[in-house]
Amino acid sequence: DAGITQSPRYKITETGRQVTLMCHQTWSHSYMFWYRQDLGHGLRLIYYSAAADITDKGEVPDGYVVSRSKTENFPLTLESATRSQTSVYFCASSEGGGSPLHFGNGTRLTVT
Amino acid sequence: GQQVMQIPQYQHVQEGEDFTTYCNSSTTLSNIQWYKQRPGGHPVFLIQLVKSGEVKKQKRLTFQFGEAKKNSSLHITATQTTDVGTYFCAGRGLRGSNYKLTFGKGTLLTVNP
Repeated sequence: DAGITQSPRYKITETGRQVTLMCHQTWSHSYMFWYRQDLGHGLRLIYYSAAADITDKGEVPDGYVVSRSKTENFPLTLESATRSQTSVYFCASSEGGGSPLHFGNGTRLTVT
Repeated sequence: GQQVMQIPQYQHVQEGEDFTTYCNSSTTLSNIQWYKQRPGGHPVFLIQLVKSGEVKKQKRLTFQFGEAKKNSSLHITATQTTDVGTYFCAGRGLRGSNYKLTFGKGTLLTVNP
């Protein structure tokens, strides 16, 4: 969807480095989410945010940090990347708490 | 915590055959959503079911929500090559963090032309 963009699309980093994945949405949706997708695990929620300055942990938050100073941005930071964090990361937004999710195109992250 | 099981994990069909994927939750759901992800793409919302026993149709796709609101199914009639992709169900619990969905692991559908 044109309304939610992720960057970069592809990223290769080394173990121990800090890396930030960006997510920007133009719909002014209240809710934003970060998922990771791995073979055999489907989509797992890392962090979510109900509004600016409100964030909470999902199913697999360890090793990740998020912030949401503005409604439209929800960056995800890997403070010290590990190989187990090699994955495809999807950002999503929704208008309300029970509304459908709109996903970005994803970031494929490889940690060497 | 809430778990959502989805079967089968993979399904290969001949074009024109029917396809069904099933979703079962360990707890009663307030609603369930279905998404489709094309190979190399991102999940795209298909539909949301809210009521017990609800049935919704989108052309060749039929979605059902069980009477107990713990299971759901997606049925595709006469598959086409454009149906290829992974189909995910995502259930939302009754209480607590209402804005968190729990996704099933998905069913990968491949269609032989």
